[in-house]
Amino acid sequence: EVQLVESGGGLAQPGGSLRLSCAASGLTFSASAMNWVRQAPGKGLEWLSYISSSTNLIYYADSVKGRFTISRDNAKNSLYLQMHSLRDEDTAVYYCARGGGSLVPFDIWGLGTMVTVSS
Amino acid sequence: QAVLTQPSSLSASPGASASLICTLRSGINVGTSRIYWYQQKPGSPPQYLLRYKSDSDKQQGSGVPSRFSGSNDASANAGILLISGLQSEDEADYYCMIWHNSASVFGGGTKLTVL
Repeated sequence: EVQLVESGGGLAQPGGSLRLSCAASGLTFSASAMNWVRQAPGKGLEWLSYISSSTNLIYYADSVKGRFTISRDNAKNSLYLQMHSLRDEDTAVYYCARGGGSLVPFDIWGLGTMVTVSS
Repeated sequence: QAVLTQPSSLSASPGASASLICTLRSGINVGTSRIYWYQQKPGSPPQYLLRYKSDSDKQQGSGVPSRFSGSNDASANAGILLISGLQSEDEADYYCMIWHNSASVFGGGTKLTVL
């Protein structure tokens, strides 16, 4: 079964850090570009970051540039999002999704992990 | 001005057709943009529906019924998701997305109510 499973969410204080993980199974992860997308409670989808299969291309949304870092370990079939300097407005469900770029849809999504930033 | 603008809500009757509009910001040409459409139901992640740029450059998502289709309105600089034969299960949020300036950009989403 093709599956993406996010983990690492939870409660963080403003200014704090969290590291999210996304474990892939049932797909050729090493050949897949990956993304992080978030959704604040009751709000729409916001793309955050893209990483190509070989990590030679990495892009960020302006809202997280300089604070979040995307990475991957193809040997472990895992995607990561290191988040620093967290703000209240980072509170959201964080999804990992396969695909991206102009030609490839986000065709596989995880169920998401909730991040709450609050003091 | 947002890159992609969607009406916040739309209502339609079962069995009818619904056109969900995604307007591109001035300067971004719908004729040269691949627009992706996603459906999201409460408590679930989004699901890919289809991609549309032109009749020769389009893609249906795996398992997505043919009553979901895409088109463009060049005069309005907008992409359109057409859902025909509406069913109650089509009630959901729908998002358009494009790849623009090395970023994926989502529209704000349209909540479709089938009643």
